[in-house]
Amino acid sequence: RKEVEQDPGPFNVPEGATVAFNCTYSNSASQSFFWYRQDCRKEPKLLMSVYSSGNEDGRFTAQLNRASQYISLLIRDSKLSDSATYLCVVTPDNYGQNFVFGPGTRLSVLP
Amino acid sequence: DVKVTQSSRYLVKRTGEKVFLECVQDMDHENMFWYRQDPGLGLRLIYFSYDVKMKEKGDIPEGYSVSREKKERFSLILESASTNQTSMYLCASSGTSGGDNEQFFGPGTRLTVL
Repeated sequence: RKEVEQDPGPFNVPEGATVAFNCTYSNSASQSFFWYRQDCRKEPKLLMSVYSSGNEDGRFTAQLNRASQYISLLIRDSKLSDSATYLCVVTPDNYGQNFVFGPGTRLSVLP
Repeated sequence: DVKVTQSSRYLVKRTGEKVFLECVQDMDHENMFWYRQDPGLGLRLIYFSYDVKMKEKGDIPEGYSVSREKKERFSLILESASTNQTSMYLCASSGTSGGDNEQFFGPGTRLTVL
């Protein structure tokens, strides 16, 4: 079993749609969780950290369920500019080391 | 604005050549990383360093070495480039003191070995 698994995608959705991505992780000792966004042929960039209480940033909402070892990302009112690959990232510590990346889920928002 | 820079965006080398990829960060981060990214395989860690002159092997260190003589600079070396090392190489850095300790990535170097 892979350490971090994500929906395989791709997700093709119309503008304005709501789309949700799921991510599961195998290491129950994981401490920090992130969603990164990667545009085609560009580097990954942090979209948002994921906190135990859940957090929201504009149209983006991240949730963490430690009991189920599950992370989600919800995008509301999708824009064309949201088209990218979304990477789930998990770390077992708070020392900024040992990042484990999921394979990514590609999203295409269609006009 | 935090920054991780890489020495080249695109590089073409021949089989057997020695290749140096350099990465510099200006955030005073302790940790630096080298990844390669290939279609269908995602990001794979080659090496990381948690301090000057310290290094740890990642998942795929074979055929690579690294050097960290200064805190802000982390170099990836391909001793004798091979065609299967054609890939996108991404450098990243992260801190250890407080905050979320997320990784910041450089723009990547797309290496082609002929």
